[in-house]
Amino acid sequence: NAGVMQNPRHLVRRRGQEARLRCSPMKGHSHVYWYRQLPEEGLKFMVYLQKENIIDESGMPKERFSAEFPKEGPSILRIQQVVRGDSAAYFCASSPNEAEQFFGPGTRLTVL
Amino acid sequence: DQQVKQNSPSLSVQEGRISILNCDYTNSMFDYFLWYKKYPAEGPTFLISISSIKDKNEDGRFTVFLNKSAKHLSLHIVPSQPGDSAVYFCAATSGTYKYIFGTGTRLKVLA
Repeated sequence: NAGVMQNPRHLVRRRGQEARLRCSPMKGHSHVYWYRQLPEEGLKFMVYLQKENIIDESGMPKERFSAEFPKEGPSILRIQQVVRGDSAAYFCASSPNEAEQFFGPGTRLTVL
Repeated sequence: DQQVKQNSPSLSVQEGRISILNCDYTNSMFDYFLWYKKYPAEGPTFLISISSIKDKNEDGRFTVFLNKSAKHLSLHIVPSQPGDSAVYFCAATSGTYKYIFGTGTRLKVLA
Protein backbone atom coordinates (compact mmCIF):
# COMPACT_ATOMS: atom_id res chain seq x y z
CA ASN A 1 0.00 0.00 0.00
CA ALA A 2 1.76 3.10 -1.23
CA GLY A 3 1.87 6.06 1.09
CA VAL A 4 0.74 9.59 0.35
CA MET A 5 2.37 10.78 -2.84
CA GLN A 6 3.14 14.33 -3.76
CA ASN A 7 4.54 15.76 -6.94
CA PRO A 8 6.57 17.48 -7.92
CA ARG A 9 8.98 17.18 -5.02
CA HIS A 10 10.66 20.43 -5.99
CA LEU A 11 9.11 23.27 -7.95
CA VAL A 12 10.75 26.49 -9.03
CA ARG A 13 8.64 29.37 -10.27
CA ARG A 14 9.29 32.99 -11.13
CA ARG A 15 7.23 35.70 -9.51
CA GLY A 16 3.85 36.00 -11.18
CA GLN A 17 3.70 32.41 -12.45
CA GLU A 18 1.31 29.73 -11.30
CA ALA A 19 2.23 26.77 -9.12
CA ARG A 20 0.27 23.51 -9.10
CA LEU A 21 0.98 20.98 -6.40
CA ARG A 22 -0.49 17.50 -6.55
CA CYS A 23 -1.33 15.04 -3.82
CA SER A 24 -2.49 11.45 -4.18
CA PRO A 25 -3.83 10.15 -0.87
CA MET A 26 -3.28 6.67 0.46
CA LYS A 27 -5.56 4.03 -0.98
CA GLY A 28 -8.89 4.05 0.80
CA HIS A 29 -8.40 7.55 2.22
CA SER A 30 -11.03 10.10 1.25
CA HIS A 31 -9.88 12.95 3.50
CA VAL A 32 -7.05 15.24 2.37
CA TYR A 33 -5.36 18.07 4.26
CA TRP A 34 -2.82 20.62 3.07
CA TYR A 35 -0.25 22.22 5.37
CA ARG A 36 2.44 24.80 4.71
CA GLN A 37 5.77 25.02 6.48
CA LEU A 38 7.65 28.27 6.21
CA PRO A 39 11.38 28.28 7.06
CA GLU A 40 12.05 27.82 10.79
CA GLU A 41 8.35 27.35 11.52
CA GLY A 42 5.99 24.48 12.21
CA LEU A 43 3.43 23.13 9.79
CA LYS A 44 0.35 25.32 9.50
CA PHE A 45 -3.03 23.97 8.45
CA MET A 46 -4.36 25.38 5.20
CA VAL A 47 -7.34 23.38 3.97
CA TYR A 48 -9.29 20.16 4.50
CA LEU A 49 -11.07 18.47 1.61
CA GLN A 50 -13.13 15.39 0.99
CA LYS A 51 -13.95 14.15 -2.48
CA GLU A 52 -15.39 17.08 -4.45
CA ASN A 53 -15.92 19.15 -1.29
CA ILE A 54 -13.95 21.77 0.59
CA ILE A 55 -14.73 21.19 4.24
CA ASP A 56 -12.55 23.83 5.88
CA GLU A 57 -10.35 26.38 4.15
CA SER A 58 -9.85 28.63 7.15
CA GLY A 59 -6.05 28.41 6.87
CA MET A 60 -5.88 29.38 3.22
CA PRO A 61 -4.86 32.89 2.21
CA LYS A 62 -7.92 34.63 0.82
CA GLU A 63 -6.35 35.47 -2.51
CA ARG A 64 -4.35 33.52 -5.09
CA PHE A 65 -4.70 30.15 -3.31
CA SER A 66 -7.23 27.47 -4.17
CA ALA A 67 -7.58 23.75 -3.62
CA GLU A 68 -9.64 20.97 -5.08
CA PHE A 69 -10.09 17.24 -4.68
CA PRO A 70 -12.00 15.99 -7.72
CA LYS A 71 -13.93 12.76 -7.95
CA GLU A 72 -11.14 11.29 -10.03
CA GLY A 73 -7.48 12.12 -9.71
CA PRO A 74 -5.27 13.78 -7.14
CA SER A 75 -5.94 16.77 -4.94
CA ILE A 76 -4.50 19.99 -6.37
CA LEU A 77 -3.25 23.03 -4.47
CA ARG A 78 -3.02 25.93 -6.87
CA ILE A 79 -1.17 29.17 -6.22
CA GLN A 80 -1.66 31.91 -8.77
CA GLN A 81 0.74 34.80 -9.34
CA VAL A 82 3.29 33.45 -6.89
CA VAL A 83 5.36 35.83 -4.76
CA ARG A 84 8.63 35.24 -2.92
CA GLY A 85 6.73 34.82 0.36
CA ASP A 86 5.05 31.69 -1.04
CA SER A 87 8.37 29.87 -0.95
CA ALA A 88 7.84 27.05 1.53
CA ALA A 89 7.38 23.32 1.90
CA TYR A 90 3.81 22.23 1.23
CA PHE A 91 2.71 18.98 2.82
CA CYS A 92 -0.35 16.96 2.07
CA ALA A 93 -1.82 14.45 4.52
CA SER A 94 -4.63 11.95 4.16
CA SER A 95 -6.79 9.94 6.50
CA PRO A 96 -9.62 7.42 6.20
CA ASN A 97 -11.70 9.54 8.56
CA GLU A 98 -11.06 12.55 10.78
CA ALA A 99 -8.40 10.64 12.66
CA GLU A 100 -4.69 10.11 12.37
CA GLN A 101 -3.20 11.87 9.38
CA PHE A 102 -0.50 10.35 7.23
CA PHE A 103 1.80 12.83 5.56
CA GLY A 104 3.37 12.86 2.15
CA PRO A 105 7.01 13.84 1.49
CA GLY A 106 6.10 17.42 0.61
CA THR A 107 6.68 19.77 -2.30
CA ARG A 108 9.34 22.40 -1.83
CA LEU A 109 8.32 25.52 -3.73
CA THR A 110 10.94 28.12 -4.52
CA VAL A 111 9.87 31.43 -6.00
CA LEU A 112 12.62 33.35 -7.73
CA ASP B 1 -0.16 33.66 18.39
CA GLN B 2 1.78 30.43 18.82
CA GLN B 3 -0.54 28.01 20.64
CA VAL B 4 1.98 25.17 20.66
CA LYS B 5 5.56 25.99 21.58
CA GLN B 6 8.74 24.03 21.42
CA ASN B 7 11.23 26.34 23.02
CA SER B 8 14.35 24.30 22.33
CA PRO B 9 15.24 24.49 18.65
CA SER B 10 17.91 21.82 19.07
CA LEU B 11 19.13 19.14 21.42
CA SER B 12 22.24 16.92 21.41
CA VAL B 13 22.34 13.68 23.36
CA GLN B 14 24.87 10.90 23.65
CA GLU B 15 23.87 7.52 22.25
CA GLY B 16 22.34 5.31 24.93
CA ARG B 17 21.26 8.23 27.10
CA ILE B 18 17.75 9.66 27.49
CA SER B 19 16.43 12.34 25.15
CA ILE B 20 13.74 14.62 26.57
CA LEU B 21 11.86 16.87 24.18
CA ASN B 22 9.46 19.44 25.60
CA CYS B 23 6.31 21.09 24.36
CA ASP B 24 4.05 23.72 25.92
CA TYR B 25 0.58 24.75 24.85
CA THR B 26 -1.73 27.60 25.71
CA ASN B 27 -5.17 26.42 24.60
CA SER B 28 -6.95 24.50 27.37
CA MET B 29 -9.38 23.11 24.78
CA PHE B 30 -6.69 20.86 23.30
CA ASP B 31 -7.51 17.28 24.21
CA TYR B 32 -5.28 15.20 21.97
CA PHE B 33 -1.56 15.52 21.44
CA LEU B 34 0.79 13.91 18.96
CA TRP B 35 4.48 13.70 18.28
CA TYR B 36 5.80 13.47 14.75
CA LYS B 37 9.31 12.75 13.60
CA LYS B 38 10.69 14.26 10.41
CA TYR B 39 13.79 13.37 8.46
CA PRO B 40 15.19 15.79 5.87
CA ALA B 41 13.34 15.71 2.54
CA GLU B 42 10.58 13.55 4.00
CA GLY B 43 7.16 14.21 5.45
CA PRO B 44 6.39 13.99 9.16
CA THR B 45 5.87 10.46 10.45
CA PHE B 46 3.54 9.78 13.34
CA LEU B 47 5.38 8.59 16.43
CA ILE B 48 3.12 8.53 19.47
CA SER B 49 0.04 10.28 20.81
CA ILE B 50 -1.77 10.89 24.08
CA SER B 51 -5.31 11.77 25.00
CA SER B 52 -5.99 14.35 27.69
CA ILE B 53 -7.62 11.70 29.86
CA LYS B 54 -4.22 10.11 30.33
CA ASP B 55 -0.97 11.42 31.74
CA LYS B 56 1.37 8.88 30.19
CA ASN B 57 1.57 6.74 27.09
CA GLU B 58 4.38 4.37 26.29
CA ASP B 59 5.44 2.64 23.08
CA GLY B 60 8.74 0.84 23.16
CA ARG B 61 11.54 3.34 23.65
CA PHE B 62 9.13 6.29 23.40
CA THR B 63 7.06 7.66 26.27
CA VAL B 64 4.94 10.78 26.24
CA PHE B 65 4.00 12.51 29.48
CA LEU B 66 1.17 15.02 29.78
CA ASN B 67 0.82 17.56 32.59
CA LYS B 68 -2.51 19.26 31.99
CA SER B 69 -2.25 21.70 34.86
CA ALA B 70 1.06 22.99 33.50
CA LYS B 71 -0.10 22.68 29.87
CA HIS B 72 3.09 20.79 29.18
CA LEU B 73 4.01 17.55 27.50
CA SER B 74 7.28 15.83 26.95
CA LEU B 75 8.62 13.02 24.82
CA HIS B 76 11.20 10.70 26.35
CA ILE B 77 13.35 8.49 24.18
CA VAL B 78 15.42 5.91 26.00
CA PRO B 79 17.88 4.66 25.05
CA SER B 80 18.58 7.19 22.31
CA GLN B 81 20.00 5.84 19.06
CA PRO B 82 21.75 7.62 16.16
CA GLY B 83 18.77 6.78 13.93
CA ASP B 84 16.60 8.92 16.21
CA SER B 85 18.38 12.03 14.90
CA ALA B 86 15.60 14.04 13.26
CA VAL B 87 13.30 17.00 13.83
CA TYR B 88 10.51 16.26 16.28
CA PHE B 89 7.23 18.14 16.09
CA CYS B 90 4.65 18.33 18.80
CA ALA B 91 1.05 18.80 17.61
CA ALA B 92 -2.24 19.39 19.40
CA THR B 93 -5.89 19.32 18.48
CA SER B 94 -9.20 20.01 20.18
CA GLY B 95 -10.85 16.89 18.85
CA THR B 96 -10.79 17.97 15.23
CA TYR B 97 -8.74 17.37 12.14
CA LYS B 98 -6.95 20.71 12.53
CA TYR B 99 -3.56 19.91 14.01
CA ILE B 100 -1.63 22.81 15.51
CA PHE B 101 2.09 22.17 15.24
CA GLY B 102 5.02 23.49 17.21
CA THR B 103 8.13 24.76 15.49
CA GLY B 104 10.08 21.56 16.06
CA THR B 105 13.17 20.46 17.95
CA ARG B 106 16.15 19.10 16.06
CA LEU B 107 17.53 16.11 17.94
CA LYS B 108 21.06 14.93 17.28
CA VAL B 109 22.14 11.67 18.86
CA LEU B 110 25.89 11.40 19.01
CA ALA B 111 27.51 8.01 18.52
